[in-house]
Amino acid sequence: GQQLNQSPQSMFIQEGEDVSMNCTSSSIFNTWLWYKQDPGEGPVLLIALYKAGELTSNGRLTAQFGITRKDSFLNISASIPSDVGIYFCAGRNAGGTSYGKLTFGQGTILTVHP
Amino acid sequence: DSGVTQTPKHLITATGQRVTLRCSPRSGDLSVYWYQQSLDQGLQFLIQYYNGEERAKGNILERFSAQQFPDLHSELNLSSLELGDSALYFCASSVTGTSGPDTQYFGPGTRLTVL
Repeated sequence: GQQLNQSPQSMFIQEGEDVSMNCTSSSIFNTWLWYKQDPGEGPVLLIALYKAGELTSNGRLTAQFGITRKDSFLNISASIPSDVGIYFCAGRNAGGTSYGKLTFGQGTILTVHP
Repeated sequence: DSGVTQTPKHLITATGQRVTLRCSPRSGDLSVYWYQQSLDQGLQFLIQYYNGEERAKGNILERFSAQQFPDLHSELNLSSLELGDSALYFCASSVTGTSGPDTQYFGPGTRLTVL
């Protein structure tokens, strides 16, 4: 089946540092989404990307939709303790019978030390 | 708060039993999705409904079924439960459920424990 490779698997950083994580796919996606999940909670949408090459910011978060449509990255600037959590990328296929189905990456566990 | 509600929050049951998980989508959303999250498999798409009709199927076991009712709420039925079915089950909703620009918002999940 489809694979989304998300890296790194985990990150341990100091408060104030910048963070970068990315996802690559074997297939083309027409949408890339980035979610954050706290333990025992549902994923919360951070950024949605709908066009190849699109660069979108949400506060300290910036994400880009790769021009090949097979990759995306998420940057977090000036990290703070509440950034702790698991970050997931998710992609949605371009048409066919996939409709709205999302394929998720394995997640990046972020730990921020004060 | 995403606007998607799920009940119950926690469910503990025994092997061989049947349970029903419920989801109410955000106001105005016509499409509902069910996902399973386990430690070894991550977040996996199970099934999608749009306006009462099944739209897409993922890795959903035959022991599992779902439906979406006229008021757009959805139920996921899990039967003949096995230990390996223990997981977090999430519902998500979106406006159109198409492959175009359409964002999915997730509920808080139901944690199922099968003993």
